[in-house]
Amino acid sequence: GAGVSQSPSNKVTEKGKDVELRCDPISGHTALYWYRQRLGQGLEFLIYFQGNSAPDKSGLPSDRFSAERTGESVSTLTIQRTQQEDSAVYLCASSLKGGSGGDTQYFGPGTRLTVL
Amino acid sequence: SQQGEEDPQALSIQEGENATMNCSYKTSINNLQWYRQNSGRGLVHLILIRSNEREKHSGRLRVTLDTSKKSSSLLITASRAADTASYFCATPLNRDDKIIFGKGTRLHILP
Repeated sequence: GAGVSQSPSNKVTEKGKDVELRCDPISGHTALYWYRQRLGQGLEFLIYFQGNSAPDKSGLPSDRFSAERTGESVSTLTIQRTQQEDSAVYLCASSLKGGSGGDTQYFGPGTRLTVL
Repeated sequence: SQQGEEDPQALSIQEGENATMNCSYKTSINNLQWYRQNSGRGLVHLILIRSNEREKHSGRLRVTLDTSKKSSSLLITASRAADTASYFCATPLNRDDKIIFGKGTRLHILP
């Protein structure tokens, strides 16, 4: 079956512009995660959606970052007024259930964002 | 917040040798996972070990878990060039569902 998909695969934008990144999780997966990875660094947790529960937004670095998820399907991560420091690969992952159940996370290929 | 910390940050070994990476974490967990990342893109799940397990094998991979020391190790035996990648441990935070990744170990297999 289809895996996690993300679009666009690459995005180049100018400082100050808004960008929207999309993630299509695996069908039936209730948990969805967004991570940010700067060049040569580890994964930085951004936000977590689980079913109909309120999302865990504790990793969002500033109020310029927001994310939504429609039911248990597509999610969008929006970055407003982009800054050069936002340049990174943004990774989305989904799992059947949450992490405490030990479910495998399936990652998308990521969106490489470059802010000029 | 940082939950898992991998050690070493980088490791270079000759092809055919064994590679060992370690992960330490801070809170109680009920499972720990290891992932591999090639070329800075999506991660691939390697193996999961539960808190009531001490050791687990999958092909050339061997994972151990010591809950008393809050640490895990990943051993790759008979390394191959294709094993060159970054390896991350991941744990649920505070028994919540949120998964937190460490900073990773960059493994380079020399020909």
